[in-house]
Amino acid sequence: GAGVSQTPSNKVTEKGKYVELRCDPISGHTALYWYRQSLGQGPEFLIYFQGTGAADDSGLPNDRFFAVRPEGSVSTLKIQRTERGDSAVYLCASSPTSGGIGELFFGEGSRLTVL
Amino acid sequence: AQSVTQLDSQVPVFEEAPVELRCNYSSSVSVYLFWYVQYPNQGLQLLLKYLSGSTLVKGINGFEAEFNKSQTSFHLRKPSVHISDTAEYFCAVSEGGYQKVTFGTGTKLQVIP
Repeated sequence: GAGVSQTPSNKVTEKGKYVELRCDPISGHTALYWYRQSLGQGPEFLIYFQGTGAADDSGLPNDRFFAVRPEGSVSTLKIQRTERGDSAVYLCASSPTSGGIGELFFGEGSRLTVL
Repeated sequence: AQSVTQLDSQVPVFEEAPVELRCNYSSSVSVYLFWYVQYPNQGLQLLLKYLSGSTLVKGINGFEAEFNKSQTSFHLRKPSVHISDTAEYFCAVSEGGYQKVTFGTGTKLQVIP
């Protein structure tokens, strides 16, 4: 099927390492979201793209986190100098519309474990 | 700033019994409201949404929710649950005209045979 694809599905890394998580949205979807879900918590908003630009990055916890979407399709979430507290499932979602009124189509997530 | 509160972290209910999952939101402007469901080992999917108009919204799998502006609530209901409804349910809010969608902490519905 042509759903939202996230890679890798699982990533184990050591504290201090650099990590990239990739999201391939549904073709034609202009909006793309990144969320982080820790155990027992709901999805926590990180950043939202409309096209190539980050329309809202207010949820990025600090400057170790960065995301890009250079061609308005695939997006990469980049985490520098990983910490144990970064361990979580990182969710990507895409939507055909902006304005928060459209359905978000979620991928199955990338589980990040920082040792 | 928008926020969502789901008071119940877990709700056990017997099969064929009715269920209500509670959601309250906080916002200073008009809102759009959503319920998403996450089945075991699957991604989140939309159950239903309220944008405007009728305050009673019907979704998939027999679920419905009612928007109550005075009580700032958007509770999810189903008159008779099935085993297959066992999942985690998330309420979410987006302030009108603003793109960020904020999720609650989730309610795990456990249907007991």
